[in-house]
Amino acid sequence: KNEVEQSPQNLTAQEGEFITINCSYSVGISALHWLQQHPGGGIVSLFMLSSGKKKHGRLIATINIQEKHSSLHITASHPRDSAVYICAVRSHESIQGAQKLVFGQGTRLTINP
Amino acid sequence: SAVISQKPSRDICQRGTSLTIQCQVDSQVTMMFWYRQQPGQSLTLIATANQGSEATYESGFVIDKFPISRPNLTFSTLTVSNMSPEDSSIYLCSVSDRGGIQYFGAGTRLSVL
Repeated sequence: KNEVEQSPQNLTAQEGEFITINCSYSVGISALHWLQQHPGGGIVSLFMLSSGKKKHGRLIATINIQEKHSSLHITASHPRDSAVYICAVRSHESIQGAQKLVFGQGTRLTINP
Repeated sequence: SAVISQKPSRDICQRGTSLTIQCQVDSQVTMMFWYRQQPGQSLTLIATANQGSEATYESGFVIDKFPISRPNLTFSTLTVSNMSPEDSSIYLCSVSDRGGIQYFGAGTRLSVL
C-alpha cells in the first residue's frame, strides 16, 4: 500500500462542474502539498497545508489531520484546469535535516468545453 | 519564491551514452532535490544535493549511475550514465524555500533509443 493514495486516478468533467480530488496518507506529516503538472511536465505548487483550509481563486484545499485526509476542490472548472494534480506529504523522515516529500500517484483531470 | 531554469527540456539519446541535466536557481538554496518520473508514474526522489558535500542517494539509486555535482548554492547537475531505454523518464530538479514551499524546474523529458 502506498503511503499517499489519491482518488480518483482519472476524472473527466464538463466545463463549469465542481471538482473534488481526494488524498489519504498513512505517515506522520508536517505539511501536505497540492501540485499541478501540465502536459509538458512542469510542476507548479498550488497549496501547502498543515491544518484547516486554504483558498486561491477557484481552488480550495482542505486537510483533516486526525483523519489523514485532504481534498482539492475546483469551482467553475475550465478546460485550462486540465492537468495532473499531485498530492505530496512532507513526512517526518529526515534527509540531512530536511523533511522528505512523498508523492501520490496523481489524478489526471480533463475538463471538456 | 524561487525560479529554476532546467535544461535541456528534452533529449533523445542512444543507448550507452550519458546525458547531463543542469539546474540553475535564481537564489541561494541549501538543498536541491533530483526526481525521476517514469511514464505514468509519480515522482521518485533520486538524491538530495548539498553544496560542498556528496549527494545523498535514495534506495535503488547509485552515484555511478546518477552522478551529481553541486559546485555552489545556485547550481546543480545530474548525469544519467550509460543509458538504457529503462531510463526514459522525466527528470526534475526541485528546491524548497524557507517557508517549505516546493519549486520545480520545468523538467527534462528523456527518451533513450
